[in-house]
Amino acid sequence: AQSVTQLGSHVSVSEGALVLLRCNYSSSVPPYLFWYVQYPNQGLQLLLKYTTGATLVKGINGFEAEFKKSETSFHLTKPSAHMSDAAEYFCAVAPLGGGTSYGKLTFGQGTILTVHP
Amino acid sequence: KAGVTQTPRYLIKTRGQQVTLSCSPISGHRSVSWYQQTPGQGLQFLFEYFSETQRNKGNFPGRFSGRQFSNSRSEMNVSTLELGDSALYLCASSNGQGVGEKLFFGSGTQLSVL
Repeated sequence: AQSVTQLGSHVSVSEGALVLLRCNYSSSVPPYLFWYVQYPNQGLQLLLKYTTGATLVKGINGFEAEFKKSETSFHLTKPSAHMSDAAEYFCAVAPLGGGTSYGKLTFGQGTILTVHP
Repeated sequence: KAGVTQTPRYLIKTRGQQVTLSCSPISGHRSVSWYQQTPGQGLQFLFEYFSETQRNKGNFPGRFSGRQFSNSRSEMNVSTLELGDSALYLCASSNGQGVGEKLFFGSGTQLSVL
């Protein structure tokens, strides 16, 4: 079974600093990978996803992630943090398997990002 | 375009009762998935419906069930509620045509079981 590990349940950065949220997956073949963000009292919103092709994926709000097969990683970065980035971030993997995988994502435990002025 | 709508926003029930949660997907979306979010277990997949048929199911007991109507609206039901069922229940909609599709999430229903 596929799994996702997010290193660090809490990350704190200063406004303007680099944001780095770590995600590692376990899978025998490269899966589809996602980063979602959840703001307080809201549902999840897709930041970016990797399916095939270019390994550096750009998403919304200035975030990007790089798929590294050799390291089984999909870390999320943003060059300069903004106060509005404070939220919980989830890495997720979609299992390969055709029809039995529709709608199903396996999520990591989440990383709460705090941004200090 | 309206987003995914979940009702009610909050629910308080007692052990042993049953509850029904509702989800209206984005117009044109035919797939609805349900997730349970708790501080301890995180986000866990419950089931997915497409064109009124359950296509995929997670590892939850039979007390958790769902259905989808012809207009793609979906309901999930939890019978014989237990304290551990207290959670945020999220639904997500998509076109349902591919594994790597973007899921659009609602704001969830916060269920508290006393």
